[in-house]
Amino acid sequence: GNSVTQMEGPVTLSEEAFLTINCTYTATGYPSLFWYVQYPGEGLQLLLKATKADDKGSNKGFEATYRKETTSFHLEKGSVQVSDSAVYFCALFLLNEKLTFGTGTRLTIIP
Amino acid sequence: NAGVTQTPKFQVLKTGQSMTLQCAQDMNHNSMYWYRQDPGMGLRLIYYSASEGTTDKGEVPNGYNVSRLNKREFSLRLESAAPSQTSVYFCASSASDGYGYTFGSGTRLTVV
Repeated sequence: GNSVTQMEGPVTLSEEAFLTINCTYTATGYPSLFWYVQYPGEGLQLLLKATKADDKGSNKGFEATYRKETTSFHLEKGSVQVSDSAVYFCALFLLNEKLTFGTGTRLTIIP
Repeated sequence: NAGVTQTPKFQVLKTGQSMTLQCAQDMNHNSMYWYRQDPGMGLRLIYYSASEGTTDKGEVPNGYNVSRLNKREFSLRLESAAPSQTSVYFCASSASDGYGYTFGSGTRLTVV
């Protein structure tokens, strides 16, 4: 079946540090890949997406590249801010199936 | 603002009580979903509705029922609440059975 594996958290970084959150997937077929973000007390919001191999999704300074050869979609940001503190979910979608989520990674940024 | 509205935001139930979680979307989406979120488990799909008039079980449907009342509304019912159903519940919708999920802000349910 389809699955998403994320690096376990929590992750704690200082402000302006470089961020990487690893995500790998297993899927039958060619999925679209997503990163969702959940701020405290809120629902999930789409952060970025990529629909085919080698696509790079980007938003709010975050980036992720769809790597078919390594089945990965790692989330990166060059300089994190306190406001980036949230839970981040990697997800995949295949046509006629449901969005499959990873378990989430809690990120805390310290001033 | 357009989006997904869930009510209530918080609820405490006693074991054995029943309740219905309400969800409405105003984006004219065909598909709607109910998830539960538990620590370390991510989001797990309870039920979904690919279109008005249809519902299907997800990963963890036991103890729940759903109703797709119309295109806008999708409710989740707990007939006899159990402590294992203590969780945060999220409703979501999408334009087709896939892309562009929009989530509500969640219902935090505690069963004592």
